[in-house]
Amino acid sequence: GQQVMQIPQYQHVQEGEDFTTYCNSSTTLSNIQWYKQRPGGHPVFLIQLVKSGEVKKQKRLTFQFGEAKKNSSLHITATQTTDVGTYFCAVSNTGNQFYFGTGTSLTVIP
Amino acid sequence: ETGVTQTPRHLVMGMTNKKSLKCEQHLGHNAMYWYKQSAKKPLELMFVYSLEERVENNSVPSRFSPECPNSSHLFLHLHTLQPEDSALYLCASSQGGGLGEKLFFGSGTQLSVL
Repeated sequence: GQQVMQIPQYQHVQEGEDFTTYCNSSTTLSNIQWYKQRPGGHPVFLIQLVKSGEVKKQKRLTFQFGEAKKNSSLHITATQTTDVGTYFCAVSNTGNQFYFGTGTSLTVIP
Repeated sequence: ETGVTQTPRHLVMGMTNKKSLKCEQHLGHNAMYWYKQSAKKPLELMFVYSLEERVENNSVPSRFSPECPNSSHLFLHLHTLQPEDSALYLCASSQGGGLGEKLFFGSGTQLSVL
């Protein structure tokens, strides 16, 4: 299956600091999705990126798709304790097959 | 609620037991999935069904046997499992029309194999 690597694996930040997680692939992607999983919860869809260089924003979250469509990032501005969880990228190259990255676990220290 | 319901939420079984996990979706979707989530590992795609036909079997051991009787229901039959099979098993669904879809996950079944 498709392999995507995410870094960092873990991130601890003080509340109010920014946070970024990166997703990298060795192959060109047709699209990329981001999901958030709260502790003890299940993954929840956040957003999908399709176009080269695309940037999308959701309040304090900014999502980018690289120009070569091989990498993506999720940036959170001024983290809050509600941002705690694991953020996954996921790729789907042939329709009904979704492969997830290794995830970045975010801890926000009040 | 995501519209995807999984039962049971927790399951403890011995290595010689046979049990089944159930998933039901109320979203009118045509594709359903089983994922395995272990500690310190990414979500592993196990099985994909589209319009009740299996389209992906990601080299999963035969002790896991899926069943999809209709587009709303998905089962995972378990027998002679190993302790390393202990994990969170997540069911998901999507519309099934191709690229650009998003997955809707159930709350998962936390499985412990003793």
